[in-house]
Amino acid sequence: QSALTQPPSASGSPGQSVTISCTGTSSDVGGYKYVSWYQQHPGKAPKLMIYEVIKRPSGVPDRFSGSKSGNTASLTVSGLQAEDEANYYCSSYAGSNNLVFGGGTKLTVL
Amino acid sequence: EVQVLESGGGLVQPGGSLRISCVASGFTFNTYAMAWVRQAPGKGLEWVSSISGSTFSGSGDSTYYADSVKGRFTISRDNSKNTLYVQMNSLTAEDTALYYCARGGQYCPTITCPFDSWGQGTLVTVSS
Repeated sequence: QSALTQPPSASGSPGQSVTISCTGTSSDVGGYKYVSWYQQHPGKAPKLMIYEVIKRPSGVPDRFSGSKSGNTASLTVSGLQAEDEANYYCSSYAGSNNLVFGGGTKLTVL
Repeated sequence: EVQVLESGGGLVQPGGSLRISCVASGFTFNTYAMAWVRQAPGKGLEWVSSISGSTFSGSGDSTYYADSVKGRFTISRDNSKNTLYVQMNSLTAEDTALYYCARGGQYCPTITCPFDSWGQGTLVTVSS
């Protein structure tokens, strides 16, 4: 199973919005509602930010939102803050009892 | 407070075996799906294996594996000890990674559950 495609990097200034894409196929992202996003600061464990495309776990700021169109899912971070600087990974159920992650996007707050 | 704590990592020779563990606390362990996710040095996340919880699957554990480890790794759980395991055999350099234990969900098909709690990981290094 191939990894989902994410841009290696993204950036924005404090207060701005940035969107990170996650492109798969109709066999994974496009075929299921089970897309999640994880935030990982250097040297730390990943943290769940979005699940089932658009849902936000308790405690995650509403500045983080998810969406999907066709085979591409997106994570949007609004009102960028310094602490949002991290690596972000998407994941998707890929059918046949498989789960696939994206390669990760390094978000830099300028 | 939900916590998962991995242990058992270390240096192992190519072709060797290792079992790593994850002790859970702060939640009803047996009712949750659990998983192992690994991260090679400087690389991204890779799902390794998942095991069902009793809430969704009832009695009997269902197990699932990434193609890269199928036939070599075995995931298991001991609900009496709140502990998750993965037995890793025929290890190669490509298995070198930080192995994270992650909690899945209670009310979702195992592989579809998001991972809402993660440990700090245990490092497995395969080298001669």
